[in-house]
Amino acid sequence: SQKIEQNSEALNIQEGKTATLTCNYTNYSPAYLQWYRQDPGRGPVFLLLIRENEKEKRKERLKVTFDTTLKQSLFHITASQPADSATYLCALAPGSGNTGKLIFGQGTTLQVKP
Amino acid sequence: DVKVTQSSRYLVKRTGEKVFLECVQDMDHENMFWYRQDPGLGLRLIYFSYDVKMKEKGDIPEGYSVSREKKERFSLILESASTNQTSMYLCASSLWSTGQGGETQYFGPGTRLLVL
Repeated sequence: SQKIEQNSEALNIQEGKTATLTCNYTNYSPAYLQWYRQDPGRGPVFLLLIRENEKEKRKERLKVTFDTTLKQSLFHITASQPADSATYLCALAPGSGNTGKLIFGQGTTLQVKP
Repeated sequence: DVKVTQSSRYLVKRTGEKVFLECVQDMDHENMFWYRQDPGLGLRLIYFSYDVKMKEKGDIPEGYSVSREKKERFSLILESASTNQTSMYLCASSLWSTGQGGETQYFGPGTRLLVL
């Protein structure tokens, strides 16, 4: 069956360090993978999208990699700050012809300590 | 800026009541979605709509219905609210998709519904 998995355990790191979050999927062949940030009590907010033919994408302190052989995406936040504390969700399309549906991972909560 | 608004941030209803949750987007998006989010279960798709008057069931449509009479507005209806429908409800919109997952979803702030 199709699955998208993120580490359900919270990730605690010290301010200034690099946070690395993992998204693994099985039985999908996504053309894109997206990452969202969600703060408590709020809706998710889009951060980055990476295409299957891109190995890496950067935006300011954020970096996403996409390995279609390993079926894995890594999300990095460099020089992390307490304001980066949030839940991060990965998402991908379940297949062709689905008119925009995304399947979301359960999210990993990141806590950055000062 | 894309804006997705939801009619209420917090709502308290009684078991058996009919509940309407409204969502409005201002970006002329074709697709609109309703999710519920529960601890440990993540975001689950209830219904989505890819055009006016068009709808498709998501993963958990039981106990819900939807209405899309205008492109910018997508309503979620709980026909007879039950306590197991207590949850955070999130609306989202996106442009029409080729189905490959390249379209970003824009979310509203959410409605936290408590059914007593």
